[in-house]
Amino acid sequence: KQEVTQIPAALSVPEGENLVLNCSFTDSAIYNLQWFRQDPGKGLTSLLLIQSSQREQTSGRLNASLDKSSGRSTLYIAASQPGDSATYLCAVQDQTGANNLFFGTGTRLTVIP
Amino acid sequence: ETGVTQSPTHLIKTRGQQVTLRCSSQSGHNTVSWYQQALGQGPQFIFQYYREEENGRGNFPPRFSGLQFPNYSSELNVNALELDDSALYLCASSSDRASSYEQYFGPGTRLTVT
Repeated sequence: KQEVTQIPAALSVPEGENLVLNCSFTDSAIYNLQWFRQDPGKGLTSLLLIQSSQREQTSGRLNASLDKSSGRSTLYIAASQPGDSATYLCAVQDQTGANNLFFGTGTRLTVIP
Repeated sequence: ETGVTQSPTHLIKTRGQQVTLRCSSQSGHNTVSWYQQALGQGPQFIFQYYREEENGRGNFPPRFSGLQFPNYSSELNVNALELDDSALYLCASSSDRASSYEQYFGPGTRLTVT
């Protein structure tokens, strides 16, 4: 069964700092990996999706990488801003069964002004 | 293009009651998946509906059931509510014609069981 782990569970950084969030998964048979943002009490906002054949994706200040063979992904946030404060969730889409998403428990990011 | 919508936004029920949550899929999408997110946890897969049939199920008891309609909208029904059913319920739609299998999420329904 696919298991997704995110480290660290919480992170607090001063505004302007660059940071890296980590995600690992146990089964490399995936279609894609997706990073989401979730504000308190709200739904999921998709940030980046990396297909299993890709190595990275970029959107603005965000860059996500994928190393499928080692079961790892990182989300790099450049020049962090207070508005980046949220929980960041990593999810992998499994190739078995219903192709459903397996989520990690998230990293809660606080950017201090 | 209309995104995924869910109703209601919030719901409060009493233990033992039944609840129905609704989801309208994004235009052109024929697959709907439901997820439960307990406080402080990542979402967990409940089940998926494709062409009005259940197409996969996570580790949830039979009192969690669903439907998909010809217009691809979907319902999640939970019978005999328990306190642990309190969670954010997320619906996601996708298309079997898309190469990426990407799922698009709705805003969720917050269920509180007292």
